[in-house]
Amino acid sequence: NAGVTQTPKFQVLKTGQSMTLQCAQDMNHEYMSWYRQDPGMGLRLIHYSVGAGITDQGEVPNGYNVSRSTTEDFPLRLLSAAPSQTSVYFCASSYAPSGEQYFGPGTRLTVT
Amino acid sequence: TQLLEQSPQFLSIQEGENLTVYCNSSSVFSSLQWYRQEPGEGPVLLVTVVTGGEVKKLKRLTFQFGDARKDSSLHITAAQTGDTGLYLCAGATNAGKSTFGDGTTLTVKP
Repeated sequence: NAGVTQTPKFQVLKTGQSMTLQCAQDMNHEYMSWYRQDPGMGLRLIHYSVGAGITDQGEVPNGYNVSRSTTEDFPLRLLSAAPSQTSVYFCASSYAPSGEQYFGPGTRLTVT
Repeated sequence: TQLLEQSPQFLSIQEGENLTVYCNSSSVFSSLQWYRQEPGEGPVLLVTVVTGGEVKKLKRLTFQFGDARKDSSLHITAAQTGDTGLYLCAGATNAGKSTFGDGTTLTVKP
């Protein structure tokens, strides 16, 4: 099992560019989430999904889109990058709504 | 919006000392989880507590869930340098949504 994988590991964008952060899990987990973590802070929920075809907004959804066409994949799309989106992004999956979350290694994004 | 307040934000102690980290909320959660995060990596689960009043022990770490399922504490006995890291609490709901505290950065000095 690879667990939760995220690509890319590092990315630099210019303001206004768009990109997609990839997340995949091979544990057949229904629940998946995207978080951002700013320096010295905890994780803030961007979007989450309770199964294929179902997504919902978290605390900080503005500027991000998600889709969940399969159980395995949960990509996060930045529509028009802004310097305020400079952060480390973590994807997580879980077998139950309030169960243990398994995290990917993160994507470190810098927007200039 | 459900908020989780963690305290203290930073903690620097000598090896062998005891410490307690607190996680408080005005909201009720289905479960509360404690994670530890190393620099450059994702958080890794330490424990999940589900029942109000529950106490769980993991070697030198003791976790407690408040009776009303709104707060929790993590107590470390005789801290070691290997305990250094960022400790995060997270409250989860049955809707599949989790809220994280801002974390406690623990430094254990030899």
